[in-house]
Amino acid sequence: GAGVSQSPSNKVTEKGKDVELRCDPISGHTALYWYRQSLGQGLEFLIYFQGNSAPDKSGLPSDRFSAERTGGSVSTLTIQRTQQEDSAVYLCASSLLRDTEAFFGQGTRLTVV
Amino acid sequence: AQSVAQPEDQVNVAEGNPLTVKCTYSVSGNPYLFWYVQYPNRGLQFLLKYITGDNLVKGSYGFEAEFNKSQTSFHLKKPSALVSDSALYFCAVRDSYNTDKLIFGTGTRLQVFP
Repeated sequence: GAGVSQSPSNKVTEKGKDVELRCDPISGHTALYWYRQSLGQGLEFLIYFQGNSAPDKSGLPSDRFSAERTGGSVSTLTIQRTQQEDSAVYLCASSLLRDTEAFFGQGTRLTVV
Repeated sequence: AQSVAQPEDQVNVAEGNPLTVKCTYSVSGNPYLFWYVQYPNRGLQFLLKYITGDNLVKGSYGFEAEFNKSQTSFHLKKPSALVSDSALYFCAVRDSYNTDKLIFGTGTRLQVFP
């Protein structure tokens, strides 16, 4: 596609429910990143993929968070048993090579009530 | 481990004056450095990058940044600020020794006053 696409754009869920966030990167981009941004603050690194592999999962806040990528393309970030502190904007980005910039999607705004 | 720091939460500057947004980094290998801007309720937009070559790099909207290896810095600059430059600015780094992990600073809010 023309850009990085994330869905849904907004998600309101009840505390304790599971949610899935989807990222569709730019076609051909091998690296894919997930970040979390709270209330216009900084970007908290969650996880990144090189192809379908996740070399670094160190940013995942707890074992309630998991992510996968299939076919070197679409990625899903899953949050189980959501908590109110999970409320944030989840951003996805993709890039082609190590020395190229990453392109960001518009994000998914998650609200846990 | 790679890291990046933006020491200023907010920078205030009058329109027409030069602006500087500071960024320092720490890597094991060679740094690949990036600046992004985020306007209110909008996604992150790429401004410029340093990979190799000239220490002064030019980017979008009249911004430029200077790579200083000895000071491990990559400060963002613009000779004459515009009110429309008011936004949140992020510095980011990849480490040539550490595959493709891309780490961002905490961001600096730039406020340009008329």
